[in-house]
Amino acid sequence: EPEVTQTPSHQVTQMGQEVILRCVPISNHLYFYWYRQILGQKVEFLVSFYNNEISEKSEIFDDQFSVERPDGSNFTLKIRSTKLEDSAMYFCASKRQGPQETQYFGPGTRLLVL
Amino acid sequence: AQSVTQPDIHITVSEGASLELRCNYSYGATPYLFWYVQSPGQGLQLLLKYFSGDTLVQGIKGFEAEFKRSQSSFNLRKPSVHWSDAAEYFCAVGANYGGSQGNLIFGKGTKLSVKP
Repeated sequence: EPEVTQTPSHQVTQMGQEVILRCVPISNHLYFYWYRQILGQKVEFLVSFYNNEISEKSEIFDDQFSVERPDGSNFTLKIRSTKLEDSAMYFCASKRQGPQETQYFGPGTRLLVL
Repeated sequence: AQSVTQPDIHITVSEGASLELRCNYSYGATPYLFWYVQSPGQGLQLLLKYFSGDTLVQGIKGFEAEFKRSQSSFNLRKPSVHWSDAAEYFCAVGANYGGSQGNLIFGKGTKLSVKP
């Protein structure tokens, strides 16, 4: 069964450094998402991406964040200058199309900013 | 504002006992509702979803949920819990307003422990 994959599974970085989190969505999916889960808190929506542009973003998704689909398979989340509070589990999700379609989640990348 | 409330942070049940996890939502339009499960170190797996029609929906692993509009609830149930059901369970509502791409709004989750 196709699945969403994410790399790396864990990343440790120094405050102020740039990080890129990578996701490979399911191949025939058209909508892509990033969510994050700070330890002990709820999963929060960051951004959705469709047709090579951002569709929606939350207030968390500020200028330090960007997303890109550099080729036909990868979907990346970049944090330009990490802060301590960016430490979280980051989940990528994808779905085929339409609001009623199921979002399939990847296993997540745990980011630790020191 | 849209929100999802899961009032129980942690529930412990005995193996073989029945289970009900509570979820209440606040959403202006007709909600799309989901239950996801997260096992340790794993991603989020969809258990079931409700969009319209029959308010009792069946999911994987023997779970079901009932949508009650009058109570703004979407509680998850299982008649007999197995030790492998120990995990964290998240209720979510999917945005379905015009132009939305269906981003999910999650509750804080309920951690389920199963006693032998």
